[in-house]
Amino acid sequence: AQSVTQLGSHVSVSEGALVLLRCNYSSSVPPYLFWYVQYPNQGLQLLLKYTTGATLVKGINGFEAEFKKSETSFHLTKPSAHMSDAAEYFCAVSEPGGSYIPTFGRGTSLIVHP
Amino acid sequence: DAGVIQSPRHEVTEMGQEVTLRCKPISGHDYLFWYRQTMMRGLELLIYFNNNVPIDDSGMPEDRFSAKMPNASFSTLKIQPSEPRDSAVYFCASSLFLTGRNSEAFFGQGTRLTVV
Repeated sequence: AQSVTQLGSHVSVSEGALVLLRCNYSSSVPPYLFWYVQYPNQGLQLLLKYTTGATLVKGINGFEAEFKKSETSFHLTKPSAHMSDAAEYFCAVSEPGGSYIPTFGRGTSLIVHP
Repeated sequence: DAGVIQSPRHEVTEMGQEVTLRCKPISGHDYLFWYRQTMMRGLELLIYFNNNVPIDDSGMPEDRFSAKMPNASFSTLKIQPSEPRDSAVYFCASSLFLTGRNSEAFFGQGTRLTVV
């Protein structure tokens, strides 16, 4: 069965600092991996996804994530945080060949200080 | 397209009342999902449909919950009778594909349900 662990329910950074949000997954097959962002009172919006091919995936708003099979990780990074990045971030995994339905992590709240 | 549209955005109801949440998926999407988000349990999949047919409802918590999709452009999630522990944000999402590189779920803005 697939599962996702997001380390840290809250991450606090200063504006301009590196953003690192951690995600580890468990899957019985090579997975599809996703990062979604949720702004206050909004639905989830896809930031980026990995299905096959290049393991470094670039998404919207300057975010990127790297699929590391050996570490079963898919951490989300951004070189320089902006105030507008403050939101809830969700990592999700799905299993090709299985149900394909993504399982979501508990989410990480990103707080950006001026 | 306007995206996934959910109504109402907010619902406050008394315990024991029937609650109906509505969703209009993106036109042409074959898959529709209902999720529930709470602080305690995070984002949970309740049920999903493919071409208006319920495929997996194992996430529906109790018989008090039911979902229908009478046509490709409309779905409802009903709770009868409602209880305070049903208070949550309910999201509807739709997807064109479930597999492959173009698989992506598009979420509505959610319905915040409060049962008092």
